[in-house]
Amino acid sequence: DTGVSQDPRHKITKRGQNVTFRCDPISEHNRLYWYRQTLGQGPEFLTYFQNEAQLEKSRLLSDRFSAERPKGSFSTLEIQRTEQGDSAMYLCASSLAAVTGYNSPLHFGNGTRLTVT
Amino acid sequence: TQLLEQSPQFLSIQEGENLTVYCNSSSVFSSLQWYRQEPGEGPVLLVTVVTGGEVKKLKRLTFQFGDARKDSSLHITAAQPGDTGLYLCAYDNAGNMLTFGGGTRLMVKP
Repeated sequence: DTGVSQDPRHKITKRGQNVTFRCDPISEHNRLYWYRQTLGQGPEFLTYFQNEAQLEKSRLLSDRFSAERPKGSFSTLEIQRTEQGDSAMYLCASSLAAVTGYNSPLHFGNGTRLTVT
Repeated sequence: TQLLEQSPQFLSIQEGENLTVYCNSSSVFSSLQWYRQEPGEGPVLLVTVVTGGEVKKLKRLTFQFGDARKDSSLHITAAQPGDTGLYLCAYDNAGNMLTFGGGTRLMVKP
């Protein structure tokens, strides 16, 4: 168990550019979540996948944001035409959802810190 | 939307002191979770409280769920510099779609 891995750890980009982040969950976990955390605040839920299906998206996830999990393993989060307000820590987490309805606790990665200049 | 309010927002204390941080809401929850987040890292789950009035202990950390299941507290005894971090409470809307409070940022000075 190597934990949830996120890449890159830091990204600085200019306003208007597109950025893509990657998340590798714990290998046996079938659920993958994206959260966003701005300075001084708690994380906010963005979206989650069960296997390759995106099951829920927050209203926070504007049209400029898109997330994929094509093979049910790693996931990417792309932000198009970045804005300064997109500056935040983007956290990925994973868990195991059993057919019984039980969800194991979330394991978070160490995040990608995005700075939009 | 059920809101979680955490207090205080910031706390700076000396090593060895005791402290309590709070997580309050006007809503009733089936459970609440507590996380600690260190700088540059993701949150790590400390405990989940489920039953009204429940008390759970994790070494020097004591977590309590209010009798009415609307609030929770975290008490740290004899704080150490290693306890420094952001303490977050959260509730699970469904399936690990968590709503977090704003957190209490704790600094323990040696």
